[in-house]
Amino acid sequence: NAGVTQTPKFRILKIGQSMTLQCAQDMNHNYMYWYRQDPGMGLKLIYYSVGAGITDKGEVPNGYNVSRSTTEDFPLRLELAAPSQTSVYFCASSYSRGPGETQYFGPGTRLTVL
Amino acid sequence: AQTVTQSQPEMSVQEAETVTLSCTYDTSESDYYLFWYKQPPSRQMILVIRQEAYKQQNATENRFSVNFQKAAKSFSLKISDSQLGDAAMYFCAYRSFNEDQFYFGTGTSLTVIP
Repeated sequence: NAGVTQTPKFRILKIGQSMTLQCAQDMNHNYMYWYRQDPGMGLKLIYYSVGAGITDKGEVPNGYNVSRSTTEDFPLRLELAAPSQTSVYFCASSYSRGPGETQYFGPGTRLTVL
Repeated sequence: AQTVTQSQPEMSVQEAETVTLSCTYDTSESDYYLFWYKQPPSRQMILVIRQEAYKQQNATENRFSVNFQKAAKSFSLKISDSQLGDAAMYFCAYRSFNEDQFYFGTGTSLTVIP
């Protein structure tokens, strides 16, 4: 199993540009999450999904959009990039929310908006 | 929103010694989960240990153990026989039993001195 994969690893955007961060998992997990990690801070949840076709907002959803058309993929779309979106983005997945639940994280995408 | 507080931005420990990382959280709920995640320089988040709030017994995983004090809303991580590979950022995280969202602390950077 590859686990959770994210592409790209690094990206530099100009203000106003758009891009999609890709996330895929091959563990047949129902739950998927997008987080951002700003310097010196913990992770903050942007969006999450409890299954294909179902998404919901987290703590910091403004400026982002997501879709979940398949169980495996959960892309994060940035529209009109702003410097405040400079961060490291992590995708994660989990099978369920039960007592045995564990989040598995991808390696992250470092995004810089100039 | 729940809050998770890690009051120690940095900690250091001599190799083979024991270190304790602190975490407190704020919640009005009685059913929840607590986690410690490790983030090495590779940036990928790795689950270290988890605790279900309904369990009175403290969780242990090899050299890692927790001191869970539910009334005090405290969840500290003890690392015994510290190894060089333990050097990383450590994040405490909270998740309600009834919600799908995780809340992370700001992290503690652990240095292991040879």
